[in-house]
Amino acid sequence: SQQGEEDPQALSIQEGENATMNCSYKTSINNLQWYRQNSGRGLVHLILIRSNEREKHSGRLRVTLDTSKKSSSLLITASRAADTASYFCATDPYNTDKLIFGTGTRLQVFP
Amino acid sequence: DADVTQTPRNRITKTGKRIMLECSQTKGHDRMYWYRQDPGLGLRLIYYSFDVKDINKGEISDGYSVSRQAQAKFSLSLESAIPNQTALYFCATSDLRGDIFSYNEQFFGPGTRLTVL
Repeated sequence: SQQGEEDPQALSIQEGENATMNCSYKTSINNLQWYRQNSGRGLVHLILIRSNEREKHSGRLRVTLDTSKKSSSLLITASRAADTASYFCATDPYNTDKLIFGTGTRLQVFP
Repeated sequence: DADVTQTPRNRITKTGKRIMLECSQTKGHDRMYWYRQDPGLGLRLIYYSFDVKDINKGEISDGYSVSRQAQAKFSLSLESAIPNQTALYFCATSDLRGDIFSYNEQFFGPGTRLTVL
């Protein structure tokens, strides 16, 4: 399979704590994206980081990318119960015009 | 996202039946995709289309076919449904325009939950 690997598969934290999810991939990429999925719903794009970028912020989200290690992390700071969802990384490999999705991390944030 | 709609939202059918899932978009995007989601497996690409005359197989196209009737419409068919096609199906779109680093951000429909008995 060309899918990326995400860890952990599941994460449970209390409100106010930070949540970190990791993604590893296999091929050279144009960019890496993170998506969020509420239970049974469609995926929603959160943030995109280009292959020539190392870190990117958007509100409470911080994404890092290490192309030498073919890995990325998503940090959600000061988590809220509403952040409860599954989070997927997706890579946009060179010369494929397709996204490759990871298997996702299920985040549960307890009030 | 209301800009990408899927019908039906839920469908229960029997083995051997022909099923069509429809996707429409008002985003004006050229590229459309069909994915399947199974628990623990993430999303897998079934078919994708970069314009009306361009159809491409994805990772798991066997047992499926598609039709791109217009820029805004992309349908997925299961010619003879089988139980292991029970899954959540998503349509997505992306914009061909934009710089090389960002053009493949995808926008998803709400999904169709298909159960094959």
